Amino acid sequence: TQLLEQSPQFLSIQEGENLTVYCNSSSVFSSLQWYRQEPGEGPVLLVTVVTGGEVKKLKRLTFQFGDARKDSSLHITAAQPGDTGLYLCAGAGNQFYFGTGTSLTVIP
Amino acid sequence: KAGVTQTPRYLIKTRGQQVTLSCSPISGHRSVSWYQQTPGQGLQFLFEYFSETQRNKGNFPGRFSGRQFSNSRSEMNVSTLELGDSALYLCASSLAGTSGRGAQDEQFFGPGTRLTVL
Repeated sequence: TQLLEQSPQFLSIQEGENLTVYCNSSSVFSSLQWYRQEPGEGPVLLVTVVTGGEVKKLKRLTFQFGDARKDSSLHITAAQPGDTGLYLCAGAGNQFYFGTGTSLTVIP
Repeated sequence: KAGVTQTPRYLIKTRGQQVTLSCSPISGHRSVSWYQQTPGQGLQFLFEYFSETQRNKGNFPGRFSGRQFSNSRSEMNVSTLELGDSALYLCASSLAGTSGRGAQDEQFFGPGTRLTVL
């Protein structure tokens, strides 16, 4: 059973388009992290959100933590080929729970 | 500041053998977690060690075990390997692990050990 469901599972878009990835759960988390992983490598931490309703921006990436600290979203503006990768959300509870992952491909 | 290191990076074993993987966390981090990643199941939590004690354990059989040393380095052992154990094994370190203290829960991953069981 996955505590964190991500959608969509796969996303293929053209360079310059915008996109949003969702991470949903029925559980409350003390914090939530977003990672990007490239083939054959470990996930790289992008951001941590802690407070319900919190919004964090990292250049073209905007992360939001839901008011109830159960869900989160990642919005990418003007996607670039370098954004290609597997995006994972992870919630901190009595252990770290990872989402099902969103595989993003940005086509030049 | 050095990142998380894992050795070896690649490993090929045959069914029935055992394997030991090693993880060195970021200096000052006391929590080490292990994960198994496969295309079908995604990232699955194996266990977490904090100050040499296993604090949490995922839903894996007893063939999967681990330990942590006083310098926070950790090892993971898999005995009686099965074909289904082929996966990328990831280690992650954090200051305090699942402490519930927000930013201190941040995990930093190593590059992983790619285990292939033939």
